Amino acid sequence: DVKVTQSSRYLVKRTGEKVFLECVQDMDHENMFWYRQDPGLGLRLIYFSYDVKMKEKGDIPEGYSVSREKKERFSLILESASTNQTSMYLCASSPGQTQETQYFGPGTRLLVL
Amino acid sequence: GENVEQHPSTLSVQEGDSAVIKCTYSDSASNYFPWYKQELGKRPQLIIDIRSNVGEKKDQRIAVTLNKTAKHFSLHITETQPEDSAVYFCAATPRGKLIFGQGTELSVKP
Repeated sequence: DVKVTQSSRYLVKRTGEKVFLECVQDMDHENMFWYRQDPGLGLRLIYFSYDVKMKEKGDIPEGYSVSREKKERFSLILESASTNQTSMYLCASSPGQTQETQYFGPGTRLLVL
Repeated sequence: GENVEQHPSTLSVQEGDSAVIKCTYSDSASNYFPWYKQELGKRPQLIIDIRSNVGEKKDQRIAVTLNKTAKHFSLHITETQPEDSAVYFCAATPRGKLIFGQGTELSVKP
């Protein structure tokens, strides 16, 4: 069974803070993703990585950065958190050369005050 | 650009009725169409998928149909049960990327 874990289920941060969200997968998947989930907007891709130290911007990368130093770990960084970044953040991973069949983590609900 | 439209955004049915969720995609290069189910407070999980060389796929009470010409695909749930209540996401894969629809919140009333 594929297991994708995220470091926190709930986070409360203040405007301007630097925020780190961590994701770990245990299936040696090449691809990892960070999504943001908001009601009525579905799952929007922030960044993805197809290999260690490789990353590509998704649809809404502004205000975010990522880091992938090890294959199993993909971090999402909010350099200076803002209230409009209050959301549910979902990490996912998938094997192979395409983005098919993604396995999701449980999500981190972030509240920025 | 690449886009997946999903309808309806909310759907309420009586237990035992059927539910249908429809998605349209813009890029004819899409060749893989998964459906994810997200129960309240839980992670999205793949429930069924279909490839472009197949018109229909069925797994017990759920089925997916694909019309490549019209660029739309649908999820059909028969004999709905309260545990089918969830948010359902469709997705398409234009040129290797996975693009999700906006989601449908299905409520099955006992």
